[in-house]
Amino acid sequence: QKEVEQDPGPLSVPEGAIVSLNCTYSNSAFQYFMWYRQYSRKGPELLMYTYSSGNKEDGRFTAQVDKSSKYISLFIRDSQPSDSATYLCAIGRFTGRRALTFGSGTRLQVQP
Amino acid sequence: DAMVIQNPRYQVTQFGKPVTLSCSQTLNHNVMYWYQQKSSQAPKLLFHYYDKDFNNEADTPDNFQSRRPNTSFCFLDIRSPGLGDAAMYLCATSRGRASSTDTQYFGPGTRLTVL
Repeated sequence: QKEVEQDPGPLSVPEGAIVSLNCTYSNSAFQYFMWYRQYSRKGPELLMYTYSSGNKEDGRFTAQVDKSSKYISLFIRDSQPSDSATYLCAIGRFTGRRALTFGSGTRLQVQP
Repeated sequence: DAMVIQNPRYQVTQFGKPVTLSCSQTLNHNVMYWYQQKSSQAPKLLFHYYDKDFNNEADTPDNFQSRRPNTSFCFLDIRSPGLGDAAMYLCATSRGRASSTDTQYFGPGTRLTVL
């Protein structure tokens, strides 16, 4: 079983839709959770991070973590064509192995 | 104000011909990472440096080596590239502070083609 599972998509939505992207993880030792956005042929860029269960908002983006279910989500409101990219979840811990563990990414296409 | 710079952006090499990829950073971060990312896959960590301490992942082939001559620069050497090594190579950096989210900042990547 992979440590982090993420639906690869592609996910195609019309402009203005609410998008839900999800990851599950298997190891309860993970303590913080990040979402990266990766445009085609570019490096990933950090969108949001959180380390507590619940919701964290930043503009049109909301990160949600449910540690009891080992489930994390990223919601995008009022999606725009410029949001078309691959979204990678990444999880980490404060101690021990410091390297992030990435999901394989969900490719999102927002149609104008 | 580029923070993590990778050169070249595109590299073509021949099967078996050694190649070196370069990464530099202006963030003065302690940690530098090298990832391999193949199409539609998660970035796969090859190794990382915490200052001068080299940390190799258990499943990284011996064909991949790295050097970090100073804080700002890190190199990825592929001694004998095979067709299966064609991928995007991503460099990332982080502060490396304990008890904190170790946000990684990525460069734009080098796309390696092996002929």
